[in-house]
Amino acid sequence: DQQVKQNSPSLSVQEGRISILNCDYTNSMFDYFLWYKKYPAEGPTFLISISSIKDKNEDGRFTVFLNKSAKHLSLHIVPSQPGDSAVYFCAASTNAGKSTFGDGTTLTVKP
Amino acid sequence: GAGVSQSPRYKVAKRGQDVALRCDPISGHVSLFWYQQALGQGPEFLTYFQNEAQLDKSGLPSDRFFAERPEGSVSTLKIQRTQQEDSAVYLCASSLRDRGISGANVLTFGAGSRLTVL
Repeated sequence: DQQVKQNSPSLSVQEGRISILNCDYTNSMFDYFLWYKKYPAEGPTFLISISSIKDKNEDGRFTVFLNKSAKHLSLHIVPSQPGDSAVYFCAASTNAGKSTFGDGTTLTVKP
Repeated sequence: GAGVSQSPRYKVAKRGQDVALRCDPISGHVSLFWYQQALGQGPEFLTYFQNEAQLDKSGLPSDRFFAERPEGSVSTLKIQRTQQEDSAVYLCASSLRDRGISGANVLTFGAGSRLTVL
């Protein structure tokens, strides 16, 4: 039973437009949610996080929204740039330490 | 170095061989995690160390998998009698945060060790 799900394996957007990546979770005990970005042949790198007591966190072009009642979060990238093309992983963690990851969404930003 | 270093980057093993994968975390990082990533999937948790103590090994798929971090820094993931289903990228990550301390547990990953079992 997958506790963190990213239902869209891929997303393609035009440069300058908004990219919206979605993530659903089942465990209400998660206290933090994180997004990581991964380029080929590299490890994932941290992008942005949000506490379960918040509903929005913004960092430059990246904003994460959390809807606890729906157990859903989304990552918005505005404006999208070709360098944003990567695999994006949603992750959730509890105070116990480990993070649980979704299967990722491959974002392609076309020039 | 400044990041998490993993070696070897690529390993080809014949079925039945033993392999050892090494992780050098960021200096001073208390927590160290091992994840397994199969093709097209997200990282799956294997095990977690806080300093030298292995606090969670619930994700290790069988008793053929063993991890250690004897001095609280470098860690080794050992896979005995490798099988084809062990083929994956093995990711190591470290973080500053202790378990039980509030705040997002941001992981810094290495580039991974890609294991192919023939």
